[in-house]
Amino acid sequence: EDQVTQSPEALRLQEGESSSLNCSYTVSGLRGLFWYRQDPGKGPEFLFTLYSAGEEKEKERLKATLTKKESFLHITAPKPEDSATYLCAVQEIRHGSGNTGKLIFGQGTTLQVKP
Amino acid sequence: DTAVSQTPKYLVTQMGNDKSIKCEQNLGHDTMYWYKQDSKKFLKIMFSYNNKELIINETVPNRFSPKSPDKAHLNLHINSLELGDSAVYFCASSPYGDRGRGYTFGSGTRLTVV
Repeated sequence: EDQVTQSPEALRLQEGESSSLNCSYTVSGLRGLFWYRQDPGKGPEFLFTLYSAGEEKEKERLKATLTKKESFLHITAPKPEDSATYLCAVQEIRHGSGNTGKLIFGQGTTLQVKP
Repeated sequence: DTAVSQTPKYLVTQMGNDKSIKCEQNLGHDTMYWYKQDSKKFLKIMFSYNNKELIINETVPNRFSPKSPDKAHLNLHINSLELGDSAVYFCASSPYGDRGRGYTFGSGTRLTVV
């Protein structure tokens, strides 16, 4: 069964203290792995898509990497405004039935950055 | 301009009532979705429509019925509401077959059944 597991569930950092969030996945064939940011009371906001092992993408203080079994979201020198829940999701390759666009989400990591 | 808009943002209702949530997107996307987010923030797909055609119908009770009058709108009607239906419901859209950006989400509808 396809599965996405994120760790840790919650993470508290001091401003400037770098760390990483983990997303482990099990799918029969990976079409894409997505990272989203969700602020309280809002919908998830797209950050990155990764397609194949070894791929990396960066945006400001965030860097996402991908292996065959997991993805990491590295946060370098975080600021309080980086506080949010970070969601990982995978889209699987569907043979025969076509791509439905379905995303399977992990439970998220809630990040709090203290000044 | 709001890309994906949902109404209402908050919905408080009694058990047994029937309610609807509306969603509209102005991105020109072909595919729209309904996701349910539980209290632990776990997002799970409920339905997906591609150009008004139902393409995903996960194991959702029959009390939930989506309707897509056109490809820019996807509404969710819920009959005989139960306490367990309390959650945040998100509408989302994406271009069909485009995996580049995943979805664009609405801001959610927080449903509370009392």
